Amino acid sequence: GQNIDQPTEMTATEGAIVQINCTYQTSGFNGLFWYQQHAGEAPTFLSYNVLDGLEEKGRFSSFLSRSKGYSYLLLKELQMKDSASYLCAVSNDYKLSFGAGTTVTVRA
Amino acid sequence: GAGVSQSPSNKVTEKGKDVELRCDPISGHTALYWYRQRLGQGLEFLIYFQGNSAPDKSGLPSDRFSAERTGESVSTLTIQRTQQEDSAVYLCASSLDTANYEQYFGPGTRLTVT
Repeated sequence: GQNIDQPTEMTATEGAIVQINCTYQTSGFNGLFWYQQHAGEAPTFLSYNVLDGLEEKGRFSSFLSRSKGYSYLLLKELQMKDSASYLCAVSNDYKLSFGAGTTVTVRA
Repeated sequence: GAGVSQSPSNKVTEKGKDVELRCDPISGHTALYWYRQRLGQGLEFLIYFQGNSAPDKSGLPSDRFSAERTGESVSTLTIQRTQQEDSAVYLCASSLDTANYEQYFGPGTRLTVT
């Protein structure tokens, strides 16, 4: 079975840093994706980790530890437009299994 | 087009009616996926196509759900005898291949069954 856990909600101040954790227990693992989804819109790709370690892309970084079944998404220098839901998804061959998403609210 | 498109964007139907949802993937993408997202919940995998074949239909909730893909392009998801619990956003995504490529999502079809 697939079990992917992430916090339901997080709130942070504009300009701050927020870390969204994701833990997973899945029957298979080929990689881990992070997607951003604004309310009423489709998910958009943020990052993909297949090896352990940190992947940095501008203000967003994603970390993976396969032995711990753990990933996090780090959002730096938060902007109001970063208010959205962030989805952790584990890839097993062709299939993506998603967590329920973490709603991040950025306050001025 | 440049991205994945879906139609209709919104569909309201009466319980018991059949509905057909359409997905146009990005040109050249061989893999196509259907997901369901209920309000406040995560994405639920329904089915995927590699070319025109659907090797895994295990995610379809019941035999009222079916999907097909033709010409390695357009796909339709059909829900027969709709029930209120079918109300959700149905998202389609496509990728270059199934081997862990990034999936590009369409805007979704919001289905409301009254």
